[in-house]
Amino acid sequence: TQLLEQSPQFLSIQEGENLTVYCNSSSVFSSLQWYRQEPGEGPVLLVTVVTGGEVKKLKRLTFQFGDARKDSSLHITAAQPGDTGLYLCAGTPVSNDYKLSFGAGTTVTVRA
Amino acid sequence: NAGVTQTPKFQVLKTGQSMTLQCAQDMNHNSMYWYRQDPGMGLRLIYYSASEGTTDKGEVPNGYNVSRLNKREFSLRLESAAPSQTSVYFCASRQAMNTEAFFGQGTRLTVV
Repeated sequence: TQLLEQSPQFLSIQEGENLTVYCNSSSVFSSLQWYRQEPGEGPVLLVTVVTGGEVKKLKRLTFQFGDARKDSSLHITAAQPGDTGLYLCAGTPVSNDYKLSFGAGTTVTVRA
Repeated sequence: NAGVTQTPKFQVLKTGQSMTLQCAQDMNHNSMYWYRQDPGMGLRLIYYSASEGTTDKGEVPNGYNVSRLNKREFSLRLESAAPSQTSVYFCASRQAMNTEAFFGQGTRLTVV
């Protein structure tokens, strides 16, 4: 069982639609990060959230950290085919500053 | 800018053979990580090294050993490879808690 649970596992939507990916845990985290991975490549960081209740926006992407620092969400507005990829959440638990655990990932496909 | 370099990129092993995956980073990062990635499982933490001279087990350490040779290099050893260890292996490094983790290009390992 992984420390972070992501849902849904797969998401297929039409260009222009909105989508939300969730990342949940029973553990408390010092920070949560979201990464995006393309086929054949390593993950690349999108954002880091560190404060409970924090909301960060990156163009059409909005990231939220839960008040209790146990969960996070990624919302994409007006998705484009270029948003297609594997989205992974990752967290550093408060019990261990050095550990970095990942969720199982959400595969997003945006159809033109 | 090399970043994180993994070798080899591809490897086929027979059951019972041993091998070492090499990882080196040139960013003077303190922490280094080894993950494996299987379909639908995201990245699972095998071992990590908070700093030079220390190593700790992650979520799936069985069948693996690691060495933090110096600040730059962190190797992963399979003593007796099994088909269940067929996977893509990623090495990562980061400077400190809450900072970005940088990943290598991955090693695709097949055990037959």
